[in-house]
Amino acid sequence: ELKVEQNPLFLSMQEGKNYTIYCNYSTTSDRLYWYRQDPGKSLESLFVLLSNGAVKQEGRLMASLDTKARLSTLHITAAVHDLSATYFCAVDPYDKVIFGPGTSLSVIP
Amino acid sequence: NAGVTQTPKFQVLKTGQSMTLQCAQDMNHEYMSWYRQDPGMGLRLIHYSVGAGITDQGEVPNGYNVSRSTTEDFPLRLLSAAPSQTSVYFCASSSRGGGNTEAFFGQGTRLTVV
Repeated sequence: ELKVEQNPLFLSMQEGKNYTIYCNYSTTSDRLYWYRQDPGKSLESLFVLLSNGAVKQEGRLMASLDTKARLSTLHITAAVHDLSATYFCAVDPYDKVIFGPGTSLSVIP
Repeated sequence: NAGVTQTPKFQVLKTGQSMTLQCAQDMNHEYMSWYRQDPGMGLRLIHYSVGAGITDQGEVPNGYNVSRSTTEDFPLRLLSAAPSQTSVYFCASSSRGGGNTEAFFGQGTRLTVV
């Protein structure tokens, strides 16, 4: 059974600081996604990672994928309040797209 | 383009009632799926479809039925609603080829079963 874990589940960080969210999964997958969800809203796509070693960056967020370690990271650089949201990773090994539990991020002044 | 459209946005059901949550997409995506979101549990896959006429079970399929008669529509049926089905339901669609395989989500249906 495929399991997707995220660490940490809750994160409170100060503006301007850096931090990394980790996503581990239990079976081989060459596709991994990161999504963002604001409170009471739907999910929006942040990154699609399609191969080992893939790295993508958008603004203060950078995502990477290590398929051999079954690990993806979402790195936050110089956090700002607008990044407060819940972040989900999801893996897609065989047409079943399974989500992690989410990391609730709060950026405080 | 409207993207993924879910109806209704809110619904209250009595235990034992049945209903259908509607989902339609206008992006010609092959893949569609239904998730439920409960506090602290992320999104759990209910059913999915890789194309018209093809459906399969996800992580939590019991109590739900789906069908996919067209590429555009993927309705989710609750056969006999139970309080445990109180949740927020999201429909998603995606392409399966190339590099753009991320899912596009509908706005969600907040369902309460009393």
